[in-house]
Amino acid sequence: DTEVTQTPKHLVMGMTNKKSLKCEQHMGHRAMYWYKQKAKKPPELMFVYSYEKLSINESVPSRFSPECPNSSLLNLHLHALQPEDSALYLCASGDPGLAVVEQFFGPGTRLTVL
Amino acid sequence: AQSVTQLDSQVPVFEEAPVELRCNYSSSVSVYLFWYVQYPNQGLQLLLKYLSGSTLVKGINGFEAEFNKSQTSFHLRKPSVHISDTAEYFCAAQNRGTSYGKLTFGQGTILTVHP
Repeated sequence: DTEVTQTPKHLVMGMTNKKSLKCEQHMGHRAMYWYKQKAKKPPELMFVYSYEKLSINESVPSRFSPECPNSSLLNLHLHALQPEDSALYLCASGDPGLAVVEQFFGPGTRLTVL
Repeated sequence: AQSVTQLDSQVPVFEEAPVELRCNYSSSVSVYLFWYVQYPNQGLQLLLKYLSGSTLVKGINGFEAEFNKSQTSFHLRKPSVHISDTAEYFCAAQNRGTSYGKLTFGQGTILTVHP
């Protein structure tokens, strides 16, 4: 299985809602990533988990809260978001034990904040 | 600091014509280089990668890229494009020995193939 899956595909939420994005991979990868991508821009790294520990937080606002329950799952908890947080959220996974870490991307969750 | 520059934000081309998407990188250390394709409302798919060895790299869907160390370039080419190649293409670099495989992306090139 060489796939990264993300749910839901689309999400619309109000600024007072709490929601979660989910990501799953079964490639045995021990690094998982969250990216945010605005229209016509490249993905921006938000968080990296390596061996289920948060390794990189790219100064992301606390209204985004990542969680890695096990080596196959990655969640992104959302609370009190702003309209400017509307974007495509991409999950990726990779093997941090290799010299070159190829990242495999999921299809993304399209988030709209009203 | 590492940076990746994609020289064209948009490239229109007719079907069956050749295309080249340009990418230059800047880094103080050796890098691995990647090209990703993103179709509308989808994630990123790896087209090809340069790690070491032969400077001409072949990827999926008939694409190839040439690594040029002296010009710090990694241009993507296809000899004959199809309508289905219409997508956004991202060049990315990864420092050798970097933790967690952090990628630096270019700004992307939108390839539009016209019939």
